[in-house]
Amino acid sequence: EPEVTQTPSHQVTQMGQEVILRCVPISNHLYFYWYRQILGQKVEFLVSFYNNEISEKSEIFDDQFSVERPDGSNFTLKIRSTKLEDSAMYFCASKPGDTDTQYFGPGTRLTVL
Amino acid sequence: GENVEQHPSTLSVQEGDSAVIKCTYSDSASNYFPWYKQELGKRPQLIIDIRSNVGEKKDQRIAVTLNKTAKHFSLHITETQPEDSAVYFCAATPSFGNEKLTFGTGTRLTIIP
Repeated sequence: EPEVTQTPSHQVTQMGQEVILRCVPISNHLYFYWYRQILGQKVEFLVSFYNNEISEKSEIFDDQFSVERPDGSNFTLKIRSTKLEDSAMYFCASKPGDTDTQYFGPGTRLTVL
Repeated sequence: GENVEQHPSTLSVQEGDSAVIKCTYSDSASNYFPWYKQELGKRPQLIIDIRSNVGEKKDQRIAVTLNKTAKHFSLHITETQPEDSAVYFCAATPSFGNEKLTFGTGTRLTIIP
């Protein structure tokens, strides 16, 4: 069964550095999402993406964040200047066009020192 | 926007007993309600979902009930087994196009052998 994949599984970075988190959604899915989960807390929505543009973004998704789908398979989340509070597990999810189910990737644990 | 509350935050049950987790939502436009199971360090995995045109759905030992009037839905796990131990999240969404999932705060379920 196809799965969403994410790389890297763990990223450690210094505060102020840029990071790019990568996701490969399930092929033929049309809707793409990034969520994050701070340790021990609930999953929070960051941004949704459809038809090569952002559909919705949360208050968390400020100017330091950007998303891109540079080719037909990858979906990336960039954080330009990381802060300590960006430390979290970042999940990518994708959804086909004909169902409501979102499929989650395994996550990237981002640690900002 | 949507707000989802989930109770209890922790739940311990004896193996073989039943477990019930409850969620309430605020947005009457929400009409799709998935439940995700998350094991430690792993991705959220969909275990069951329900749409607002259905009051109850069952899949083997797992069932979900929905009361649209009262805006609450519940997860029922019968004949619990040790492998049911995990964190369970409910979520809600208006379910058209690319709508985001709004998650509850999670329930840590522990099955006592």
